[in-house]
Amino acid sequence: NAGVTQTPKFRVLKTGQSMTLLCAQDMNHEYMYWYRQDPGMGLRLIHYSVGEGTTAKGEVPDGYNVSRLKKQNFLLGLESAAPSQTSVYFCASSFPEVGNQPQHFGDGTRLSIL
Amino acid sequence: GQNIDQPTEMTATEGAIVQINCTYQTSGFNGLFWYQQHAGEAPTFLSYNVLDGLEEKGRFSSFLSRSKGYSYLLLKELQMKDSASYLCAVKDSNYQLIWGAGTKLIIKP
Repeated sequence: NAGVTQTPKFRVLKTGQSMTLLCAQDMNHEYMYWYRQDPGMGLRLIHYSVGEGTTAKGEVPDGYNVSRLKKQNFLLGLESAAPSQTSVYFCASSFPEVGNQPQHFGDGTRLSIL
Repeated sequence: GQNIDQPTEMTATEGAIVQINCTYQTSGFNGLFWYQQHAGEAPTFLSYNVLDGLEEKGRFSSFLSRSKGYSYLLLKELQMKDSASYLCAVKDSNYQLIWGAGTKLIIKP
């Protein structure tokens, strides 16, 4: 049972390059999320999706775009990478946000922008 | 603004008990979660509280006081594998999770 799978696990980019982070879940979850985690700070929500074909901005959306073409996949794009986007990126998924439905996380993508 | 406060780091001894506190100020409240995160790994769900009181799950218990904006995670019979960061998160009025920065727990033999 794979759960939430993120690819790649590590990546180094140069400033100005673009890339796409992939997230796939096999738990039939409606909701999916992209977070970034930086030292000394809590997880911060970048974008999220409440269903196939829908996306919404989170707390820190600037410089990122997302797409949810299929229920099981949620893609995060960096249009023009900047050093400030060096971070660990986590994808998560859950059933609809009612009650005690926890979010399930992937193992993260460690991204360095030089 | 919304704010979740946790101690940055705590140290405890193997076999002992430790309490990790979390205070919050959020726009609305729809539940509080505790997650465990080992270094370099994904956060994993530990507990959920929405009503005042204590929820016990094996060696781990979580307490909530909504009137005080306060929760704690109690870990008993500490084991070396409990060395990890513990994240407190509150679901606000929009059902968004607001995360604390986490408490790094160091267990010494």
